[in-house]
Amino acid sequence: DTAVSQTPKYLVTQMGNDKSIKCEQNLGHDTMYWYKQDSKKFLKIMFSYNNKELIINETVPNRFSPKSPDKAHLNLHINSLELGDSAVYFCASSTNFRGSTYEQFFGPGTRLTVL
Amino acid sequence: EDQVTQSPEALRLQEGESSSLNCSYTVSGLRGLFWYRQDPGKGPEFLFTLYSAGEEKEKERLKATLTKKESFLHITAPKPEDSATYLCAVQADSWGKLQFGAGTQVVVTP
Repeated sequence: DTAVSQTPKYLVTQMGNDKSIKCEQNLGHDTMYWYKQDSKKFLKIMFSYNNKELIINETVPNRFSPKSPDKAHLNLHINSLELGDSAVYFCASSTNFRGSTYEQFFGPGTRLTVL
Repeated sequence: EDQVTQSPEALRLQEGESSSLNCSYTVSGLRGLFWYRQDPGKGPEFLFTLYSAGEEKEKERLKATLTKKESFLHITAPKPEDSATYLCAVQADSWGKLQFGAGTQVVVTP
């Protein structure tokens, strides 16, 4: 199936731990994104990579570090997890060519719960 | 500052009862307005992109329209399977930074 996939789907962990979420897309897109959806269902962009280059870096604690090993993968590492980090994290991908706008395709989400 | 406001927050419809969702926006240099559908426990699913005022797009029972200040998503003769949260997002930059509204939760009862 062509899609955006994320692992794990659920992540339950203790405060202070370090965790990673992985994302892969096989749509042939060159741009990938991380979004956070909080308890009020508000979806907010965190980071974006285009051809492995960081192009969007919103005001996010530096405990969050994205990494893109290649165009098809974007990982999110979170250090020293806090209660407020509990949310659903979505990965998305799109084509971005010479500033043209194309729709983003979202993964199924990773529900992170910090205890 | 760019803003996206969706209304109503929630909408309960009888099957077959048509209605419209509103997305009003203030953004400098709109590059695109997007509509997504999100089912519980799933990622947003792309529906439409609108680029300029006057543009309209249709898909089954859904029709999206765009003016210079707002977009409407019309649901004609909805069915229970149209129940979902509908999200509106705007893009003003060239790198795909989407700013989402809070969504409208639609429930269609048989």
